[in-house]
Amino acid sequence: AQKITQTQPGMFVQEKEAVTLDCTYDTSDPSYGLFWYKQPSSGEMIFLIYQGSYDQQNATEGRYSLNFQKARKSANLVISASQLGDSAMYFCAMRASNAGNNRKLIWGLGTSLAVNP
Amino acid sequence: DGGITQSPKYLFRKEGQNVTLSCEQNLNHDAMYWYRQDPGQGLRLIYYSQIVNDFQKGDIAEGYSVSREKKESFPLTVTSAQKNPTAFYLCASSISWTGGGKNIQYFGAGTRLSVL
Repeated sequence: AQKITQTQPGMFVQEKEAVTLDCTYDTSDPSYGLFWYKQPSSGEMIFLIYQGSYDQQNATEGRYSLNFQKARKSANLVISASQLGDSAMYFCAMRASNAGNNRKLIWGLGTSLAVNP
Repeated sequence: DGGITQSPKYLFRKEGQNVTLSCEQNLNHDAMYWYRQDPGQGLRLIYYSQIVNDFQKGDIAEGYSVSREKKESFPLTVTSAQKNPTAFYLCASSISWTGGGKNIQYFGAGTRLSVL
């Protein structure tokens, strides 16, 4: 079964430090995509970063990078130099084909990140 | 600026009442989606539309209905048959339903629905 697992319900980090948010996934589809979204308290879901299963390099977008370990089926989000505005819920999601070729997004339960001044 | 607009931000439903949540996008995207978010849970897909005049049930379609008469608009009606409608509703759109590569879903700001 296709699944996304985020094992950290809550994380704390000191301002200006780096933090890693964990995400493991399960799929039998060799062609899949992994996404990270940020949801601040306002509620809007904001796209952060994408990693394709065939991408040779880890994705980076500014202060966000994705530590993609295919053999371990993990796609951890690394936020460098944390800022107070990074305090939010973070969701990992995957798009892959299932038996019905339905390529919907599968979502994890999220990790709540609090950045301390 | 291109984006997705959801309205209203807050909505209250009385017993036995149908309510409609609005979603409009000006990104020229073909695909649109409705998700429900409950506390402590991930997003669950209610309905999606790949193209105008077409839509498909997601994982939790019971008690909901949609229409897609225009490319820009994908309203969601929460009917009286939905016995537990209190939740945060998010609308999203993407270039297409399938497609390779990123095909990122972009979201609106959400509507919070409560039952009176």
